[in-house]
Order: sequence, then structure tokens, then C-alpha cells
Amino acid sequence: DAGVTQSPTHLIKTRGQQVTLRCSPKSGHDTVSWYQQALGQGPQFIFQYYEEEERQRGNFPDRFSGHQYPNYSSELNVNALLLGDSALYLCASSFRRVNTEAFFGQGTRLTVV
Amino acid sequence: AQTVTQSQPEMSVQEAETVTLSCTYDTSESDYYLFWYKQPPSRQMILVIRQEAYKQQNATENRFSVNFQKAAKSFSLKISDSQLGDAAMYFCAIYNFNKFYFGSGTKLNVKP
Repeated sequence: DAGVTQSPTHLIKTRGQQVTLRCSPKSGHDTVSWYQQALGQGPQFIFQYYEEEERQRGNFPDRFSGHQYPNYSSELNVNALLLGDSALYLCASSFRRVNTEAFFGQGTRLTVV
Repeated sequence: AQTVTQSQPEMSVQEAETVTLSCTYDTSESDYYLFWYKQPPSRQMILVIRQEAYKQQNATENRFSVNFQKAAKSFSLKISDSQLGDAAMYFCAIYNFNKFYFGSGTKLNVKP
């Protein structure tokens, strides 16, 4: 049983560009949450998707958007990249009815230059 | 608002000895869960231990145990018989409303 998988593992983008990060949840999970972890800090909640809709959102600008597909996989899109968007982006999956058991992917390291 | 504070940015322990990592939190909610996650250089967040706030009994998982003081809003992690593989960043987190609120982490060094 594959756990939570994220792609790519690393990428480098130029300021002003757009980026898409992908997450496949653990088998049986229907909820996907995204977190941003800046260097030396704890992860910060970006948003959560369930039933293909954004259910909750943290304190992030509209440049951050997402999507969830019928197979529960999810994408995180960031437009107009800023240097400050450089971070580790973590995806966490869970099953809505047992929502206290979340599993994290290995993250995508985004560097904006 | 939920906040989690880890006041020890870095700690060191000798192999085979015991170390305690501190965590305090603030929440107005009565129903929540507390977690300790380990993040090695591989970056993946690995669940160490979980505590339901409504349970008075402290959670234990093998060499890992917590001291949960609900009134004081304190949730410390004790690692017994420390091993080299325990070296990592450790994050304390509170979970409610389907999302985590993390502290800033404690880097644990294990000396052979």
C-alpha cells in the first residue's frame, strides 16, 4: 500500500512564474491538506480539499489555489511566485470520518530564484 | 486561535540516556488532539505519538511517552534509551477542525 506520494521532489522556479505541485493520498483517504514549511519553521496550513471542494483555508493569498480530482489526488498551484514562496510543501491525507489520523508525504522542495 | 510553542530550539542527549522536549499550547477548544511528529533530513513527517485531550492517561509508544498537563496546556515528550536514529527535528502540534497547528520545532542531537 503506497503512502502519500508527492511530485516533484524538488524544483526551481523563477520569480513571477507559476508552479503546480501534486499529491496522491494514501489508499482509502479522501481528504487532502497542504502545508507550507519555511526553512527553520513548523508547517503552516494552506488549505484542505474534500469532495473536490476547498473546505478550509489558512492565511495565504489568492495566489495559492488548489484542486482535487475524483480519485482524491490533489494539486497545489502558486501563481506569480515570490522569493518568499521558497519552502517545503507538504501534503497530508486523511479519511474524513477518522480525521485525526493524517499521513504526510515527503514534500516538494520549491526554490524560487 | 490555536498556538503551539516549543521553547527549546535545539537539544542534545547522550545515546542510551533520556531527554524531554517541551511544548505548550493555547486553545479555547475543549475537543482537540495533540501530536508529536519527527522530521528527519528525509523531510517526511513521521508520527511519534498522539494524545486525545479528553483522556487523562498519558500516551506511550515504546520508548516515547508524554506528560500531558491539560490545565497547564503542556504536552512534553520524553524519549528513553535514546538512539542515534532519534536525531531529527521534533514538532509538537495541536489538531482540531481537521487541521494541524505546529510549533517551530526542536532539533534533537544524539551523541554516541
